[in-house]
Amino acid sequence: NAGVTQTPKFRILKIGQSMTLQCAQDMNHNYMYWYRQDPGMGLKLIYYSVGAGITDKGEVPNGYNVSRSTTEDFPLRLELAAPSQTSVYFCASTTGTGYNEQFFGPGTRLTVL
Amino acid sequence: GQQVMQIPQYQHVQEGEDFTTYCNSSTTLSNIQWYKQRPGGHPVFLIQLVKSGEVKKQKRLTFQFGEAKKNSSLHITATQTTDVGTYFCAGTGGFKTIFGAGTRLFVKA
Repeated sequence: NAGVTQTPKFRILKIGQSMTLQCAQDMNHNYMYWYRQDPGMGLKLIYYSVGAGITDKGEVPNGYNVSRSTTEDFPLRLELAAPSQTSVYFCASTTGTGYNEQFFGPGTRLTVL
Repeated sequence: GQQVMQIPQYQHVQEGEDFTTYCNSSTTLSNIQWYKQRPGGHPVFLIQLVKSGEVKKQKRLTFQFGEAKKNSSLHITATQTTDVGTYFCAGTGGFKTIFGAGTRLFVKA
């Protein structure tokens, strides 16, 4: 199993550009999450999904959108990128009721200039 | 909303010294998880505590969950250079997991 994969690893965007961060897992996990981690800080939940077709906002959803059309994929869309969105983005997944360990992807380091 | 606070923010220790990080929640938690993130890496799950007053050990690491299920601690005995990284606690309530800000551990050989 590849686990949780994320692409791209690095990206530089100009202010106002848009992009989609890809996340996929091959563990048949129902629960998936998007976090952002600012330098020296903890993880902030952006969006999460409890299954295909179901998504909900986390702590910091403004400026982002998600979709979950399949169990495996959970892309994160940035519209009109701003410097405040410079961060490392982690995707994670877990099984069952969500009360189990989260498996994290390697992260995407995004810089908005 | 639910908040999870973690202290200290940083800790510098000499190799062989002990280390403790503390986690406090503003609300009662269903469970608490601990993760370790090496510099430049991603968080990796260490353990989950579910029961009030629970204590679990993993070699030199001891994890505790408070009686009121609102606080937790991670203690490392005789730190080694391989313990370097940031340790996060994460509290679960409902479908969401809220992470603390983490404690970054520096170990000097």
